[in-house]
Amino acid sequence: DAMVIQNPRYQVTQFGKPVTLSCSQTLNHNVMYWYQQKSSQAPKLLFHYYDKDFNNEADTPDNFQSRRPNTSFCFLDIRSPGLGDAAMYLCATSRALAGGLETQYFGPGTRLLVL
Amino acid sequence: AQTVTQSQPEMSVQEAETVTLSCTYDTSESNYYLFWYKQPPSRQMILVIRQEAYKQQNATENRFSVNFQKAAKSFSLKISDSQLGDTAMYFCAFPTIQGGSEKLVFGKGTKLTVNP
Repeated sequence: DAMVIQNPRYQVTQFGKPVTLSCSQTLNHNVMYWYQQKSSQAPKLLFHYYDKDFNNEADTPDNFQSRRPNTSFCFLDIRSPGLGDAAMYLCATSRALAGGLETQYFGPGTRLLVL
Repeated sequence: AQTVTQSQPEMSVQEAETVTLSCTYDTSESNYYLFWYKQPPSRQMILVIRQEAYKQQNATENRFSVNFQKAAKSFSLKISDSQLGDTAMYFCAFPTIQGGSEKLVFGKGTKLTVNP
């Protein structure tokens, strides 16, 4: 089945130790998103790729970076995780058309714990 | 800026009853999609239903239906014959263009609890 896969599902890291979260998709969608979601809150968009074009949200800290080496994969790098970065990180994909965005499909998320 | 408002932070309903979750939005666009997403306690976000603004007919997916009032910019979700598995956070979402790129704007969510 076509889907969005995130690895790992749970990640524990130490304060200040770089961590990378991965996302892959078999939907062949041209847009991939990374969201941060804290408990009982709506997802907050960090950035997204429209094909190879990177779009950063204005309020996304520099501590968060992303890479998209090909259509199928996208990575979220947190260079120096702080305690406030503990959250669920959601990857999503969509197909962008001339008429607007189509449905976003979400992965199961990676729960990040910072010690 | 485009906004999405869900005015009910929490709701509860008895199993088998009907519940309606409200959502309003603000846009100057004429053609767009609207979405309801469900996020159960296991936390994977899944699409419940979507509505295309140019379609006057309200979208329906099994027990889920919307009441789309374009002029009023209202997009409520009705869940009929509620089931225990409907317990989840429900997010209303609206695509918008900000900073030259398209993205979804989410409401703050409604936590729905279905009681046995």
